Amino acid sequence: AQSVTQLDSQVPVFEEAPVELRCNYSSSVSVYLFWYVQYPNQGLQLLLKYLSGSTLVKSINGFEAEFNKSQTSFHLRKPSVHISDTAEYFCGDTNAGKSTFGDGTTLTVKP
Amino acid sequence: KAGVTQTPRYLIKTRGQQVTLSCSPISGHRSVSWYQQTPGQGLQFLFEYFSETQRNKGNFPGRFSGRQFSNSRSEMNVSTLELGDSALYLCASLGGSNEKLFFGSGTQLSVL
Repeated sequence: AQSVTQLDSQVPVFEEAPVELRCNYSSSVSVYLFWYVQYPNQGLQLLLKYLSGSTLVKSINGFEAEFNKSQTSFHLRKPSVHISDTAEYFCGDTNAGKSTFGDGTTLTVKP
Repeated sequence: KAGVTQTPRYLIKTRGQQVTLSCSPISGHRSVSWYQQTPGQGLQFLFEYFSETQRNKGNFPGRFSGRQFSNSRSEMNVSTLELGDSALYLCASLGGSNEKLFFGSGTQLSVL
């Protein structure tokens, strides 16, 4: 069975500080792992994904996530956040058309 | 390409009524999935349709149903609405082989 756990529901940080949003997955089959971001009053947008190959994946806006099979984790990191990064972030996995998401982490970046 | 389109954007209903939500996927996408998003439950998978057939189903009661048409547009129906059905309903289409979901902006349903 698939399950994704996001370990933090709220993460407040100051602008230009580093941030890590934690995600653990549990699956007995090969997984596709994703991070989606949801800005207020919008649908989810793909931030980055891991399908295979290099375990470190990066987005165009400075986020990166590392697939760690031994720890079944896919934590999202950014070395220096901006106010505009304030949003809700969802970790998810997909198998054969069915996606499972974590409960979401609200990242609030303060000036 | 146009994105995933969901209509209506907002909907207010009363208990006991039924509602139909619509989703038009990105052109060429054949898979459409539906999710319910609430503050307390997060994102919950409802069901997924592929080529007019339900391929996956989540753990929702039979009041929640869906269908997909030959043009890949999908509808979701909820009958006998309950207060707890108030949520943002998101539709997503799946393209290509990389399992990437493209989400619509959602329909915000309020049940009074």
